[in-house]
Amino acid sequence: EAQVTQNPRYLITVTGKKLTVTCSQNMNHEYMSWYRQDPGLGLRQIYYSMNVEVTDKGDVPEGYKVSRKEKRNFPLILESPSPNQTSLYYCASSTNQEQFFGPGTRLTVL
Amino acid sequence: SQELEQSPQSLIVQEGKNLTINCTSSKTLYGLYWYKQKYGEGLIFLMMLQKGGEEKSHEKITAKLDEKKQQSSLHITASQPSHAGIYLCGADERDSNYQLIWGAGTKLIIKP
Repeated sequence: EAQVTQNPRYLITVTGKKLTVTCSQNMNHEYMSWYRQDPGLGLRQIYYSMNVEVTDKGDVPEGYKVSRKEKRNFPLILESPSPNQTSLYYCASSTNQEQFFGPGTRLTVL
Repeated sequence: SQELEQSPQSLIVQEGKNLTINCTSSKTLYGLYWYKQKYGEGLIFLMMLQKGGEEKSHEKITAKLDEKKQQSSLHITASQPSHAGIYLCGADERDSNYQLIWGAGTKLIIKP
């Protein structure tokens, strides 16, 4: 089954404690991206990747890092999380016709 | 960059009634995506529209893109509880490969 998986689905952490949200797709898509969704703001792109070893900033990259060492994986790294990074995070991979989204990761930073 | 405005922000509809959600841009849209999000689940792709005047349907949901390609509407006929959720429109920014921008979403509640 074609899918995008994210882990963990839910995470509560404290300020400053480094964390990684994993994202994996099995569709051999070149393009992957990370979004955060906040009430009233909709989806905002954090980072995207056009291919292995090629990443670029989206609209809200501050406080986040990503890596793309292999095509299927695109982890999102928060080196020092802060409460304003409490949000719902979506990973997506896409063709030029459709984006496939992961199930989301609800992150709370205390 | 262009912005997408969705209206209404939220909508409560009696089961069985029709409804429409709108997505409006300040510029020409080169690809318009409709997604649905259910609480606790991921985003589900509904439809993509590219051509002015294009209309697509899936079950009881119809999406249209106007001739000027600046406005899209999502119409649900005879709404059911399964239609409840948040509907999001996204648009293709032609000057940024594959980088979509998004509306804030419309929360739909279906009253039994």
